[in-house]
Amino acid sequence: QKEVEQDPGPLSVPEGAIVSLNCTYSNSAFQYFMWYRQYSRKGPELLMYTYSSGNKEDGRFTAQVDKSSKYISLFIRDSQPSDSATYLCAMSPYDKVIFGPGTSLSVIP
Amino acid sequence: DTAVSQTPKYLVTQMGNDKSIKCEQNLGHDTMYWYKQDSKKFLKIMFSYNNKELIINETVPNRFSPKSPDKAHLNLHINSLELGDSAVYFCASSQDRGGSATTDTQYFGPGTRLTVL
Repeated sequence: QKEVEQDPGPLSVPEGAIVSLNCTYSNSAFQYFMWYRQYSRKGPELLMYTYSSGNKEDGRFTAQVDKSSKYISLFIRDSQPSDSATYLCAMSPYDKVIFGPGTSLSVIP
Repeated sequence: DTAVSQTPKYLVTQMGNDKSIKCEQNLGHDTMYWYKQDSKKFLKIMFSYNNKELIINETVPNRFSPKSPDKAHLNLHINSLELGDSAVYFCASSQDRGGSATTDTQYFGPGTRLTVL
């Protein structure tokens, strides 16, 4: 079993839809949880991070962590074509960051 | 100003050749990384240096050798290139290593797309 699992998609939604992206993990030592966004032919950039169970909101984005289920989610409200990218979840126990394989998202105008 | 830069952006070479990729960061960060992203977009850490000292060395063939002349630079040299080395290689940097996402946000370079023929 991989340490971090993520449905690679591709996921295609109409503009304005609510998008739900998810990751599961197996290592209880993970303390910090991040979402990175990667546009085509670019490097990943940090979107959001959290280090506790619960929700964290930033504009149209909400990150949710459930440590008891080892499950994290990223919700995108009112999705825009500019949200089309690959979204990578990432987690850190302490000394390094483990990335999920990414979910490719297309938001269709 | 580019925060993390890599050269070259594209690299096409024959099997068996030796090549280098250079990385520089102007963020004043202490830690730098090399990642490999394969065709399925899976981003996997290869090496990490903190203040020029190697701190992470994942299971990577000996043909890959990182070199950090100073904490702003981390280069990657690859000997005897193989077809399976074809991937996008990303350099990244962070203020510190591990521990806190607030100080350890990783800033990625634009990537070097390596194609081995």
